[in-house]
Amino acid sequence: SQTIHQWPATLVQPVGSPLSLECTVEGTSNPNLYWYRQAAGRGLQLLFYSVGIGQISSEVPQNLSASRPQDRQFILSSKKLLLSDSGFYLCAWSARGLLSYEQYFGPGTRLTVT
Amino acid sequence: KQEVTQIPAALSVPEGENLVLNCSFTDSAIYNLQWFRQDPGKGLTSLLLIQSSQREQTSGRLNASLDKSSGRSTLYIAASQPGDSATYLCAAGAGGTSYGKLTFGQGTILTVHP
Repeated sequence: SQTIHQWPATLVQPVGSPLSLECTVEGTSNPNLYWYRQAAGRGLQLLFYSVGIGQISSEVPQNLSASRPQDRQFILSSKKLLLSDSGFYLCAWSARGLLSYEQYFGPGTRLTVT
Repeated sequence: KQEVTQIPAALSVPEGENLVLNCSFTDSAIYNLQWFRQDPGKGLTSLLLIQSSQREQTSGRLNASLDKSSGRSTLYIAASQPGDSATYLCAAGAGGTSYGKLTFGQGTILTVHP
């Protein structure tokens, strides 16, 4: 069966510090991968998606970047965090080749920027 | 740009009641419609996925319907239980080169009291 992992689970970082959040998927190959953010008082917003190694599409201009160095690894980064980067970050995957595009989510990372 | 709205924002019902959660979307050219459940501080659990060519999907006590022409979906929960208490999110999915990107509603917070 497929499993999706995210770490860390919780992170408190000062403004101006760098960020690296990691997401890995097990039990499937060539997944589509997605990063979403859920900010307080706002809905879930798609940040990035990837359909293959090194292929990243950005949805919203912001202080963040994403990379996919391996087939089942998706990383969310920032060089200098802003207060507005606080939120709950969720990674998701969908199966390549299946036309349903049903998405499955990880447990999330709670980021607080102080 | 797709926009998704969920009504009501919050719902409190006694155990055993049947209930309906509503979701509307502005662009009827969706690829699929996915319903999720989110427990406090947790990731999303996929409940039901309805493809654009389908009218409804059922899983246990849950039934989701889709009317693309009117831009509406409903989630019906039969014989509600306290364990159903959670936030329910609907998301409209885009296909083709959008690779299943989801646009989420703000969610309905459901409380089922004994």
